[in-house]
Amino acid sequence: KAGVTQTPRYLIKTRGQQVTLSCSPISGHRSVSWYQQTPGQGLQFLFEYFSETQRNKGNFPGRFSGRQFSNSRSEMNVSTLELGDSALYLCASSSTGGNTIYFGEGSWLTVV
Amino acid sequence: DQQVKQNSPSLSVQEGRISILNCDYTNSMFDYFLWYKKYPAEGPTFLISISSIKDKNEDGRFTVFLNKSAKHLSLHIVPSQPGDSAVYFCAASIMNNNDMRFGAGTRLTVKP
Repeated sequence: KAGVTQTPRYLIKTRGQQVTLSCSPISGHRSVSWYQQTPGQGLQFLFEYFSETQRNKGNFPGRFSGRQFSNSRSEMNVSTLELGDSALYLCASSSTGGNTIYFGEGSWLTVV
Repeated sequence: DQQVKQNSPSLSVQEGRISILNCDYTNSMFDYFLWYKKYPAEGPTFLISISSIKDKNEDGRFTVFLNKSAKHLSLHIVPSQPGDSAVYFCAASIMNNNDMRFGAGTRLTVKP
């Protein structure tokens, strides 16, 4: 069974630009969560989608948004990028009713 | 607010000895706890979990202990191996709610 796949793995953007990151969950998983990891901050919860609906949301500004498609694939978007948005963005999926989430390898975003 | 705390940013142990990683949480609603292991440039890998109806869960060399009254959990690795060197994240959630909160991580180094 293929794991969680995230694209792109690495990208560099300029301040003020926007970025879209993509995530394909494990086959059969309908819940997709997004996390931001920065040095010393651990994993900060961004949001979680289930059946194309945002079910939970963390404490991030509105510049961070996401969506989920009918095939459970998900995208997250960050608009008006700031230097502080440089981080590893991790996607995780879980099965319906499951409590364990499984992570992809992440997308490294550098904002210059 | 940091609902899950790992107060030790790093831990160094000798190969063959026990590694004990600690985690505290503040939200008494949490009833499902997990440990993830993360190598550089990879996504976190699920290690072991425990629900609040138990106080111990064991899987090979890894044992997680939960003290609900103290809102404390710990991960014991016995015996420690050099391949265990990684960052370990503690996570907590409310059962069936994928809004999972993570600690800042503890970097474990196992010396040969």
